[in-house]
Amino acid sequence: NAGVTQTPKFQVLKTGQSMTLQCAQDMNHNSMYWYRQDPGMGLRLIYYSASEGTTDKGEVPNGYNVSRLNKREFSLRLESAAPSQTSVYFCASTLGGTRPTQYFGPGTRLLVL
Amino acid sequence: KQEVTQIPAALSVPEGENLVLNCSFTDSAIYNLQWFRQDPGKGLTSLLLIQSSQREQTSGRLNASLDKSSGRSTLYIAASQPGDSATYLCAVRRNNAGNMLTFGGGTRLMVKP
Repeated sequence: NAGVTQTPKFQVLKTGQSMTLQCAQDMNHNSMYWYRQDPGMGLRLIYYSASEGTTDKGEVPNGYNVSRLNKREFSLRLESAAPSQTSVYFCASTLGGTRPTQYFGPGTRLLVL
Repeated sequence: KQEVTQIPAALSVPEGENLVLNCSFTDSAIYNLQWFRQDPGKGLTSLLLIQSSQREQTSGRLNASLDKSSGRSTLYIAASQPGDSATYLCAVRRNNAGNMLTFGGGTRLMVKP
């Protein structure tokens, strides 16, 4: 099992450009999450998908959109990137129920100039 | 709103020392609490998960305790090793928040040989 994979690993954007961060998991997990991590602030939840076909806002959803493409894949889109979106983005997944532990991908480092 | 605080933000100890990392949270209505490890440039790895009904969990040299009423958890690392050097994050799941986690800012641990 590859676990949770994310692409790309690193990206530089100019202000106003758009991009999609990809996430996939091969553990047959029901729920998937997108977080951003900024220095000294821990991780903050952007959006999550409790199950295939559903998505909900987290703590910091403004400027982002998501798509739960199927059970395996959950993408995060920045329509018009801003310097404030410079961060490290992590995708996570969990089976849920009696197995609540979240498993994280390696992260995508995004720099918006 | 749930807030999670980790003190200290950074800690440096000599190899072999026993140490305690602290995590506090403002809302005691939690479902569980998790401790994660993050190596530089990597994603998060779950270390221990404590359900709200439990007082502690142990895995090898790690022991995590939970005092829900006082809003505190500790991660005890016995006989620390240089390989334990990493950032340790705690995260809580609230009762009415699905499987969404609120993270602390982390403690960056350095174990010197």
